[in-house]
Amino acid sequence: AQSVTQLGSHVSVSEGALVLLRCNYSSSVPPYLFWYVQYPNQGLQLLLKYTSAATLVKGINGFEAEFKKSETSFHLTKPSAHLSDAAEYFCAVRGDTSGTYKYIFGTGTRLKVLA
Amino acid sequence: ETGVTQSPTHLIKTRGQQVTLRCSSQSGHNTVSWYQQALGQGPQFIFQYYREEENGRGNFPPRFSGLQFPNYSSELNVNALELDDSALYLCASSSGQDNEQFFGPGTRLTVL
Repeated sequence: AQSVTQLGSHVSVSEGALVLLRCNYSSSVPPYLFWYVQYPNQGLQLLLKYTSAATLVKGINGFEAEFKKSETSFHLTKPSAHLSDAAEYFCAVRGDTSGTYKYIFGTGTRLKVLA
Repeated sequence: ETGVTQSPTHLIKTRGQQVTLRCSSQSGHNTVSWYQQALGQGPQFIFQYYREEENGRGNFPPRFSGLQFPNYSSELNVNALELDDSALYLCASSSGQDNEQFFGPGTRLTVL
């Protein structure tokens, strides 16, 4: 069975500082991994996805994530935080149960950006 | 290309009532998945429909049911509403069971 764990339910950074949101996965097969952002009272917006191609994945809004098999990690980074990055971030892995492909989400990390 | 749409945006119900939420899948998509996102939690998989048949279910009771129509739009029905059913309900469509899922904006359900 697949699962993801997001370390840190709340992360605060100063504007302009590095953003690092942590995600570790568990999967018995090569995983498909995703990062989503959710702004207050909105749905999910895909930031980036890993589908077994390049291990360094670039997404929207300057975010990127690196797939590290040896560490079973898929951490999300952004070199310089902007006030508009304040939101909830979810890591997800695609799970496969008897032919049903579903997304399994972590519990989320709320990012706060300080001016 | 129109993305995934959901209706209504918000609704308020009382305990014991029944509710129907609707989802229009993206053009060309034949698979719809439903997720429940309780406050402060990540989305949880409810079930999936593929070509009008249920194709997998998460850990939700039978009072959560669904339908998929020939145009691949879908409904989520919840009977005998409970307070804990208050959540954001997300619909996602894909062009096949194992292809990327595209999420709609969600329906926020409040049960009083």
